[in-house]
Amino acid sequence: NAGVTQTPKFQVLKTGQSMTLQCAQDMNHEYMSWYRQDPGMGLRLIHYSVGAGITDQGEVPNGYNVSRSTTEDFPLRLLSAAPSQTSVYFCASSYSGGPGELFFGEGSRLTVL
Amino acid sequence: KQEVTQIPAALSVPEGENLVLNCSFTDSAIYNLQWFRQDPGKGLTSLLLIQSSQREQTSGRLNASLDKSSGRSTLYIAASQPGDSATYLCASNGNQFYFGTGTSLTVIP
Repeated sequence: NAGVTQTPKFQVLKTGQSMTLQCAQDMNHEYMSWYRQDPGMGLRLIHYSVGAGITDQGEVPNGYNVSRSTTEDFPLRLLSAAPSQTSVYFCASSYSGGPGELFFGEGSRLTVL
Repeated sequence: KQEVTQIPAALSVPEGENLVLNCSFTDSAIYNLQWFRQDPGKGLTSLLLIQSSQREQTSGRLNASLDKSSGRSTLYIAASQPGDSATYLCASNGNQFYFGTGTSLTVIP
């Protein structure tokens, strides 16, 4: 049972490049989400999904895109990377959103030059 | 919007001491309250989940309490060890999850 798996763990991009952070869970969780964690800012919600085909914006969605074609996968796309997107990104999932326990991946550290 | 606050931001204690970490939240309409541990460069590991109908949960040397009416939760760590050194975050789980900024704990051998 792998839980929540994120890839890649580290990535360096140049300004303007695009990339996709992958997130997969094997717990049959309906709720999946992406956070970014910055020093002094805590965890901020980027996008979330309550099931396949359903996504919604969080607190800081600009510059990011998501889709949820399967229950297991929830990729995060950076459309045109900017230095302000340098951060650690976490994917998290829960069986049923708020009422359920939240489980996190190990994180993806992104640097945009 | 729910506001979650953790005090203190940092704490340093000698090994063996009992300690309490605090978490307060502004909206009591929550399903549960969850405590996490985060080691440097790692993800968040769930420690305890307290349902809104519960008053406390225990796991080993950890005990978490929840008082919804006052908007407070505490994490009690008994007989602290150097391996407990980490950042501890709380999250209120309502329709969304809201996180505090954490308490950085250092246990000195």
